[in-house]
Amino acid sequence: GQNIDQPTEMTATEGAIVQINCTYQTSGFNGLFWYQQHAGEAPTFLSYNVLDGLEEKGRFSSFLSRSKGYSYLLLKELQMKDSASYLCAVRGPGGYQKVTFGTGTKLQVIP
Amino acid sequence: DGGITQSPKYLFRKEGQNVTLSCEQNLNHDAMYWYRQDPGQGLRLIYYSQIVNDFQKGDIAEGYSVSREKKESFPLTVTSAQKNPTAFYLCASSAGDRVNEQYFGPGTRLTVT
Repeated sequence: GQNIDQPTEMTATEGAIVQINCTYQTSGFNGLFWYQQHAGEAPTFLSYNVLDGLEEKGRFSSFLSRSKGYSYLLLKELQMKDSASYLCAVRGPGGYQKVTFGTGTKLQVIP
Repeated sequence: DGGITQSPKYLFRKEGQNVTLSCEQNLNHDAMYWYRQDPGQGLRLIYYSQIVNDFQKGDIAEGYSVSREKKESFPLTVTSAQKNPTAFYLCASSAGDRVNEQYFGPGTRLTVT
């Protein structure tokens, strides 16, 4: 099975940098995703990591350490519109490669 | 514009009634999924389909049924056997490529009283 842990809530200031952590325990690993979900809306894909290291995409970066079962999402130059929940999801092994979602971290950006 | 549509956005039903949620995609994706989301919980997989005329149970399939007669469509029926049907239901699809990220529809919020 898979178990994913994320902080429930975080608060950060507009213009600052915030790091959202995700730890996982899995019987097999085939990639980690980060999704953004605004309240009442659908999740949207942010990033994918399958190898160790940092993937940068504009203001957002995602890091993975497979040996530590650890990932983080880094958001720079925070904007008010970044207030949302951030979902960490891990893909398992096998033909279907099932994706298991964490409960999400609700980020509030304040002026 | 390519995307996934779900209808309706809000749905109200009386207990004991079956209800079918619609999901359509024009992304030409082979795989489609149904999740439910409850407050304080992650997305939980109900059913998934990797190809037309084939589907598999997810983690919480009891009380639900699906069909996949067309590539574009993956309707979900919430039956009266589902004990706690009130939830936010999300449909998704994916291309089956290396990354295989999922694209989500806008969701249907079902309330059963």
